[in-house]
Amino acid sequence: DTEVTQTPKHLVMGMTNKKSLKCEQHMGHRAMYWYKQKAKKPPELMFVYSYEKLSINESVPSRFSPECPNSSLLNLHLHALQPEDSALYLCASSPLQAGLGQFFGPGTRLTVL
Amino acid sequence: DQQVKQNSPSLSVQEGRISILNCDYTNSMFDYFLWYKKYPAEGPTFLISISSIKDKNEDGRFTVFLNKSAKHLSLHIVPSQPGDSAVYFCAARKDAGNMLTFGGGTRLMVKP
Repeated sequence: DTEVTQTPKHLVMGMTNKKSLKCEQHMGHRAMYWYKQKAKKPPELMFVYSYEKLSINESVPSRFSPECPNSSLLNLHLHALQPEDSALYLCASSPLQAGLGQFFGPGTRLTVL
Repeated sequence: DQQVKQNSPSLSVQEGRISILNCDYTNSMFDYFLWYKKYPAEGPTFLISISSIKDKNEDGRFTVFLNKSAKHLSLHIVPSQPGDSAVYFCAARKDAGNMLTFGGGTRLMVKP
């Protein structure tokens, strides 16, 4: 299994809603990532987990809360988002060795009304 | 401050010819450089990487060249095929945390 899966594919939520994005990989990768990508822009790193521990938080607002329940799963909990948070949210995983690349999921297209 | 730049937003090439995608960077601490390909509505797909201690890496139709003194890398695709039409992102890695910094992307269109 060489895939990173993400659910849901699309999500529409109001500013008062609480929702979660899910990501799963079964490649044995011990690093997992959340990225945010706006239209016609490159992916921007949000969080990095190494060995299920949060190792990097790129100054992301607290309305985004990541969680890594085990080595295969990564969640992103969303609460009180703003319309400007609408974007494609990408999950990725990688081995910890350099140069082997990160494997990306297809993303969740999030719209905040 | 954009540490990784792709100055050409788009590139159009005839099928069978060579596609050359360029990328410039400013941070000399990057130790790996990677190229990703992205189709609409999909996540980026890893293509090829190169260590900062090398100047060339080849994988099938894809070759990446690194010029450290110029802080420049390029991806050559030869021969180009219509299925190569996508957005290509250059990315650079700093050692700790395996963090990637992406360039803005170049849209490649390969015409039959």
